[in-house]
Amino acid sequence: EAGVAQSPRYKIIEKRQSVAFWCNPISGHATLYWYQQILGQGPKLLIQFQNNGVVDDSQLPKDRFSAERLKGVDSTLKIQPAKLEDSAVYLCASSPLRNTEAFFGQGTRLTVV
Amino acid sequence: GENVEQHPSTLSVQEGDSAVIKCTYSDSASNYFPWYKQELGKGPQLIIDIRSNVGEKKDQRIAVTLNKTAKHFSLHITETQPEDSAVYFCAARMVQGAQKLVFGQGTRLTINP
Repeated sequence: EAGVAQSPRYKIIEKRQSVAFWCNPISGHATLYWYQQILGQGPKLLIQFQNNGVVDDSQLPKDRFSAERLKGVDSTLKIQPAKLEDSAVYLCASSPLRNTEAFFGQGTRLTVV
Repeated sequence: GENVEQHPSTLSVQEGDSAVIKCTYSDSASNYFPWYKQELGKGPQLIIDIRSNVGEKKDQRIAVTLNKTAKHFSLHITETQPEDSAVYFCAARMVQGAQKLVFGQGTRLTINP
């Protein structure tokens, strides 16, 4: 079974630029998560989808971050404009249902300079 | 909301010895507690989990214990090997609403040969 796929693996941008990350969850998984992991810290949930609907985005900085999951499969996370403090690894995860185990992708390492 | 505290932040043990990592959570209604292992450049990988109706669970050299009254749970690794060196994260899943998975800050485990 294929795992959670994310791209790109690495991205370097200047502050105030925009960037987008892509995630393809495990086939059939209804729940999709985007986490932000700052160096030396645990993952912090940014947004959680159930199929193509948002069930939690309470920690998403909505003035600059946006995410969508059209058709309830792939998802994209966008940052516009980026700030230096957005430098982190962005992890996508999926699970069959909300209350089951979550499987993580390898993440996208973003560096904002 | 849920808050998960994890200790210690770093742990160094001799190969063959045991390692113990402890976590406490704040939401008494949380009912699912996974442990993830994260190697350099990779996403977190689930290694063991426990639900609130169970006090202990073992899988070969790893075990997890849960004390619901005290709201803490622990990861035990016996007969440690060099490949156990990694960052370990505990997490707790809230029961209400989106059933968010909240992570601890992580423990960097180093196994000394």
